[in-house]
Amino acid sequence: DQQVKQNSPSLSVQEGRISILNCDYTNSMFDYFLWYKKYPAEGPTFLISISSIKDKNEDGRFTVFLNKSAKHLSLHIVPSQPGDSAVYFCAAEGSKSSGDKLTFGTGTRLAVRP
Amino acid sequence: ETGVTQSPTHLIKTRGQQVTLRCSSQSGHNTVSWYQQALGQGPQFIFQYYREEENGRGNFPPRFSGLQFPNYSSELNVNALELDDSALYLCASSLQGPNEKLFFGSGTQLSVL
Repeated sequence: DQQVKQNSPSLSVQEGRISILNCDYTNSMFDYFLWYKKYPAEGPTFLISISSIKDKNEDGRFTVFLNKSAKHLSLHIVPSQPGDSAVYFCAAEGSKSSGDKLTFGTGTRLAVRP
Repeated sequence: ETGVTQSPTHLIKTRGQQVTLRCSSQSGHNTVSWYQQALGQGPQFIFQYYREEENGRGNFPPRFSGLQFPNYSSELNVNALELDDSALYLCASSLQGPNEKLFFGSGTQLSVL
């Protein structure tokens, strides 16, 4: 049962253009969402997050949008840079109870072409 | 401020053996979580430790066990290894609290033959 889904395993974008990575979830108890970026041979690094009380959060070139009714979130990167080439994981967590955990999607590999 | 470090980076074991993976948390963090990432999948939550006590567990059998030490370093032990245990094992540290961010190590790549 995949509660967090990233249906696009890969995405290729020209440098300077917008990258849009999508994520869907099924668990209505999720109320906090995060994006992590992973380079080869490194652990995932936190990128940006959004609480369910918001529908948008922006940090520099990165913006996350949340559509609660559709159980969908997306990460926008603009402008895209070659250094953004990595695997991007969407993750979600539920209401804060003891031992809460992150549920990850399967990742989207972004390639930014120079 | 030191980051999360894991050892070893790579390990090869045979089916039925036991393995211990180690993790040093980021300075100041009191919570450690372990994740398993199989090839082509996202990380799957194994368990979390807070103040040396297990603080939540994912859908993993009891042969996966852990420890957290007073200095907040941690071990993941896996007994009776199976071929499907081959994966990248990620340790993440954080501060206990609402919406805490996880800081991941680079992982241990375990191969079970």
